[in-house]
Amino acid sequence: DQQVKQNSPSLSVQEGRISILNCDYTNSMFDYFLWYKKYPAEGPTFLISISSIKDKNEDGRFTVFLNKSAKHLSLHIVPSQPGDSAVYFCAASATGGGNKLTFGTGTQLKVEL
Amino acid sequence: DAGVIQSPRHEVTEMGQEVTLRCKPISGHDYLFWYRQTMMRGLELLIYFNNNVPIDDSGMPEDRFSAKMPNASFSTLKIQPSEPRDSAVYFCASSLTLYEQYFGPGTRLTVT
Repeated sequence: DQQVKQNSPSLSVQEGRISILNCDYTNSMFDYFLWYKKYPAEGPTFLISISSIKDKNEDGRFTVFLNKSAKHLSLHIVPSQPGDSAVYFCAASATGGGNKLTFGTGTQLKVEL
Repeated sequence: DAGVIQSPRHEVTEMGQEVTLRCKPISGHDYLFWYRQTMMRGLELLIYFNNNVPIDDSGMPEDRFSAKMPNASFSTLKIQPSEPRDSAVYFCASSLTLYEQYFGPGTRLTVT
């Protein structure tokens, strides 16, 4: 049973526009959420995170929004750049679950010139 | 500083053979994780260690899979015997702070 879902396997946007990647979760115990970015032939790298006590966290061009009632989070990238083309994984963790992360299946973002 | 180191980067083996994947975590990190990535299931946690002790191995698919961490700087994931459905990319990750994990480059395993 997939507790973290990324329903869009791919997304294509034009350079300079906004990229919005979505993630849904089913486990109400999740209270910390992260986004990882992965380039081909490399391991995922941490991008940004958000605690359930917040509904928004911003870091430069990257903003994560959390809607707890809908069990939904999204990653906004603005403006999008060609170097942002990668697979983005959403991950979630529950307090008391150690450092165990549950990942989604990923969304392939392609930023076109 | 070197990141998480995994070897080999690629492994091709025949069904029934034993496969051993290796990982060196970042020095000082207390947690070590083994993940498997497939198209269908994304990144799945197989097992993780805290201070060299296995904490949660509920993600290990079958008894054919085993993992060890004999010391703070080395871990192995072994598959014996291997099967074609084990073909995937296997990642090792380590962490010090809560939640933020640092991944190695992965081992691409192909079982024919």
